[in-house]
Amino acid sequence: DAKTTQPNSMESNEEEPVHLPCNHSTISGTDYIHWYRQLPSQGPEYVIHGLTSNVNNRMASLAIAEDRKSSTLILHRATLRDAAVYYCILLKAGTASKLTFGTGTRLQVTL
Amino acid sequence: NAGVTQTPKFQVLKTGQSMTLQCAQDMNHEYMSWYRQDPGMGLRLIHYSVGAGITDQGEVPNGYNVSRSTTEDFPLRLLSAAPSQTSVYFCASSPSANYGYTFGSGTRLTVV
Repeated sequence: DAKTTQPNSMESNEEEPVHLPCNHSTISGTDYIHWYRQLPSQGPEYVIHGLTSNVNNRMASLAIAEDRKSSTLILHRATLRDAAVYYCILLKAGTASKLTFGTGTRLQVTL
Repeated sequence: NAGVTQTPKFQVLKTGQSMTLQCAQDMNHEYMSWYRQDPGMGLRLIHYSVGAGITDQGEVPNGYNVSRSTTEDFPLRLLSAAPSQTSVYFCASSPSANYGYTFGSGTRLTVV
């Protein structure tokens, strides 16, 4: 199975954009790129997912490199409520979805 | 919609006791999964189901049983609790492959 690599931690100032990177150099053509986040003492929360094209929703944007070997989750204006662990996960299309969580990126947001 | 509901929220068991963690969803999702999260670690998949009557093992299935008699419910049974099963357990559901999962708020289990 293809693996992902994320920085252990990142910091951001409130109301500034945040770019969370994810490397997945062994991604296959049928792997979707999913992002989840987990706020302190809560269950994971789905953020966004995509296959080849960039994606936007009310929470964030997902920028996918042309060769699909990396992606970036973009929070346009970080708030204190965005402080969480962010997980980048690959899911193979057409199969039973089994999320495999790594250690993720812990995002700290400061005033 | 209530989403994914897990009960109980907290539980303390003695070693050797058995219990069932309940998970119910009201979104008519076909896919459901159980995860455990140990302190400071990521989630690990215990069992999953792709529809009523269909279940399969995940990464860490030993000591746990599941069944899926209805679309809505996916209970997780601990057969004989051990201290190594002290963890936070999360249930999740999804409408199908390639869609996002909705997670419950978790059950914090302590085995003494």
